[in-house]
Amino acid sequence: GDSVTQMEGPVTLSEEAFLTINCTYTATGYPSLFWYVQYPGEGLQLLLKATKADDKGSNKGFEATYRKETTSFHLEKGSVQVSDSAVYFCALFRYNFNKFYFGSGTKLNVKP
Amino acid sequence: EAGVTQFPSHSVIEKGQTVTLRCDPISGHDNLYWYRRVMGKEIKFLLHFVKESKQDESGMPNNRFLAERTGGTYSTLKVQPAELEDSGVYFCASSQDLSGGGELFFGEGSRLTVL
Repeated sequence: GDSVTQMEGPVTLSEEAFLTINCTYTATGYPSLFWYVQYPGEGLQLLLKATKADDKGSNKGFEATYRKETTSFHLEKGSVQVSDSAVYFCALFRYNFNKFYFGSGTKLNVKP
Repeated sequence: EAGVTQFPSHSVIEKGQTVTLRCDPISGHDNLYWYRRVMGKEIKFLLHFVKESKQDESGMPNNRFLAERTGGTYSTLKVQPAELEDSGVYFCASSQDLSGGGELFFGEGSRLTVL
């Protein structure tokens, strides 16, 4: 079945460090791929998305590229800030099932 | 515009008791979803409403869970009787149209602790 696998956390970085959170997926067809973020005390909110192979989603300095050949959608940011501390969820959307599939989440802690 | 709201934010009950979680979606959103995250694991789909109709309830764990969306507005998720393994965070999400890779809007979640 469809699934999303992302790296386990927590990930602890110093401010201005480079961030990569790995995400791979299993799905037939051509799903859309998403990164959602949950800041402390808040609900999940969309960070970025890509709807087809080779698309790059970007927002708030984060970016991820839809790689069909490696079935991956890794999240990257060149210089993290303390305010980026949150839990990040990778997800895929299957149109024919009208359903999202989420990964287990990766907690990011950024220290000043 | 108000976002998706969920109530209560946290509920602590004993095994065998009943709990009802409520979700108010964004006004005008026909699609309403319930998800659950248990023990830091992946967020799992429970069910999907389109207006008042259950489109897909394949993720509901068992018949102790009952979801309703009377009138196609707010939704409730009742767990009766609650078991220890029901503990987790229950998220509600709504959307208008998911074609073209649309966006789900999430509530803050209702944390359920069953003792």
